[in-house]
Amino acid sequence: DAGITQSPRHKVTETGTPVTLRCHQTENHRYMYWYRQDPGHGLRLIHYSYGVKDTDKGEVSDGYSVSRSKTEDFLLTLESATSSQTSVYFCAISESIRTAMPGELFFGEGSRLTVL
Amino acid sequence: AQSVTQLGSHVSVSEGALVLLRCNYSSSVPPYLFWYVQYPNQGLQLLLKYTSAATLVKGINGFEAEFKKSETSFHLTKPSAHMSDAAEYFCAIRGDNNNDMRFGAGTRLTVKP
Repeated sequence: DAGITQSPRHKVTETGTPVTLRCHQTENHRYMYWYRQDPGHGLRLIHYSYGVKDTDKGEVSDGYSVSRSKTEDFLLTLESATSSQTSVYFCAISESIRTAMPGELFFGEGSRLTVL
Repeated sequence: AQSVTQLGSHVSVSEGALVLLRCNYSSSVPPYLFWYVQYPNQGLQLLLKYTSAATLVKGINGFEAEFKKSETSFHLTKPSAHMSDAAEYFCAIRGDNNNDMRFGAGTRLTVKP
């Protein structure tokens, strides 16, 4: 199994509070991703990183920010959580997706966030 | 834009029956396509991937998928369902900028004894 650890695994918070989810990898993979999973929508990309301090937006980035100060850590921050951000968040890593043979994504076990 | 559509949010089969999960894609370039499986309370794991080397792709656990350009399809099949196949299955396509993966809405497979 790929060495990906997400924390916390479960969190309940109130509307308007800041929340940070952490993804830690031990694989030294270049690419890291944050997805959210919601019924009927599958997984939607929030942000991704292609290197230390290099990040870009995905399709549902509003209300989220990310940081990557070290290869192994990718943080997802909700500056002011809203009920619409209640979801299961998955971190994924990939060695390379910019090649003729696209890389596989390896997923963490998810972080379930409830915003009341 | 690259996208995939999964037909049927729920599929139920009897143990031993054929499994067929449908995925159609939209792509302006030759696509790279994937099937992932998610067991309860776990992350996703790769079943198989199509990268243009062969149109029939074999994956883990007896699953396979056939790429059909004329039908823009990449359906997942397994000849004989097992109880352990009960899970949610996601079709995915490499995104426009080659940096991400776009997923379908998922199909939940139930296997009846």
